[in-house]
Amino acid sequence: QSVLTQPPSASGTPGQRVTISCSGSTSNIGSNTVNWYQQLPGTAPKLLIYRNNQRPSGVPDRFSGSKSGTSASLAISGLQSEDEADYYCAAWDDSLNGRGVFGGGTKLTVL
Amino acid sequence: EVQLVESGGGLVQPGGSLRLSCAASGFSFSNYDMHWVRQPTGKGPEWVSAIGIAGDTYYAGSVKGRFTISRENAKNSFYLQMNSLRAEDTAVYYCTRDLCTNGLCLWFDPWGQGTLVTVSS
Repeated sequence: QSVLTQPPSASGTPGQRVTISCSGSTSNIGSNTVNWYQQLPGTAPKLLIYRNNQRPSGVPDRFSGSKSGTSASLAISGLQSEDEADYYCAAWDDSLNGRGVFGGGTKLTVL
Repeated sequence: EVQLVESGGGLVQPGGSLRLSCAASGFSFSNYDMHWVRQPTGKGPEWVSAIGIAGDTYYAGSVKGRFTISRENAKNSFYLQMNSLRAEDTAVYYCTRDLCTNGLCLWFDPWGQGTLVTVSS
């Protein structure tokens, strides 16, 4: 059971907009910034969004992040086949002397 | 080029020990908090441990008391000493850098390529 809760799956057709939610609590998302990672099979996770809504250079502006209260969201617009991957949210948690926490991940399928 | 390279993974029996190393290059290592993250096959990443620039350490509850994180700035390296290993510790272990400048925040970039730890008899 992950500390951050994500839907296990999401899907969309090419060109559509999809959103992935990440629900936490006051000790993690409510107090700290959220980061999002994309993972393709057989590779290490790749930074997609940092500090709630910032995109690293090289990440298309189709990807965007937002945070409100104890929840965060990743939105992908203009869905492309290469976006099919696993997506994870992550944040620092101030409880238990401090720890990192990840969401359980969302498998995105492009139909 | 900013790079992290893990080493030290392998097959170990339950109850055994293993020491993972992570060699950093291309950046000022001593100025960054560093983390270990693991990922069992077919599952999501799990945060394991972190070490701050001042040497402060943090552990996941599942490894506290069994794993020890340390760093050696002169060698641009940090380590994860894993003792009393269990089958559930089997995973690919990644080292990664935290880009936050005001504490730990899991803003990870880059990640190493990962090293596989298998705990089995």
